[in-house]
Amino acid sequence: EDQVTQSPEALRLQEGESSSLNCSYTVSGLRGLFWYRQDPGKGPEFLFTLYSAGEEKEKERLKATLTKKESFLHITAPKPEDSATYLCAVQGRAGNNRKLIWGLGTSLAVNP
Amino acid sequence: DGGITQSPKYLFRKEGQNVTLSCEQNLNHDAMYWYRQDPGQGLRLIYYSQIVNDFQKGDIAEGYSVSREKKESFPLTVTSAQKNPTAFYLCASSPWDRFNEQYFGPGTRLTVT
Repeated sequence: EDQVTQSPEALRLQEGESSSLNCSYTVSGLRGLFWYRQDPGKGPEFLFTLYSAGEEKEKERLKATLTKKESFLHITAPKPEDSATYLCAVQGRAGNNRKLIWGLGTSLAVNP
Repeated sequence: DGGITQSPKYLFRKEGQNVTLSCEQNLNHDAMYWYRQDPGQGLRLIYYSQIVNDFQKGDIAEGYSVSREKKESFPLTVTSAQKNPTAFYLCASSPWDRFNEQYFGPGTRLTVT
């Protein structure tokens, strides 16, 4: 069964303290892996798409990387405004190719 | 401003009543989606539509119904048959060929008592 597991469940950092969030997945043929950011009480906001192992994408303090089994979202020198829940989703090749499998997210808090 | 609007933000209903959640987009996207988000669970797809007058069931369609009469609008009806309707409902849209790049609305929190 296709599955996405995110860790840690929650992470608290000091401003400027870099860290990484993990998204491990099992899927029958990966079409793509996607990162979203969700602020409390709001809808998720699309961040990145990764399609193949070795691929990297960057946006401001965020950098997403992909291997054959997992993806990392690296946060460099985070600021309080980076506090949010970060969601990972994958699309597999089997079955409904319009369906995304979502992880539960990592709740990130950055203290000033 | 282009985007997706959902209304209302908070909705309260008595058990046994049907309720319709609104979703409108002005992004000219072909595809639209309804998700449900519950604590401790990932986003779950209820219904999606790739084109006007066509829609498909997602993973948890039982107790829900949708319509897609206009490209811009994709309302969701939560019927009395839905056993656990209290949840945060999210609507999204995407270009047809980049369905993973979904733009989400602000959500509607439905409470049924």
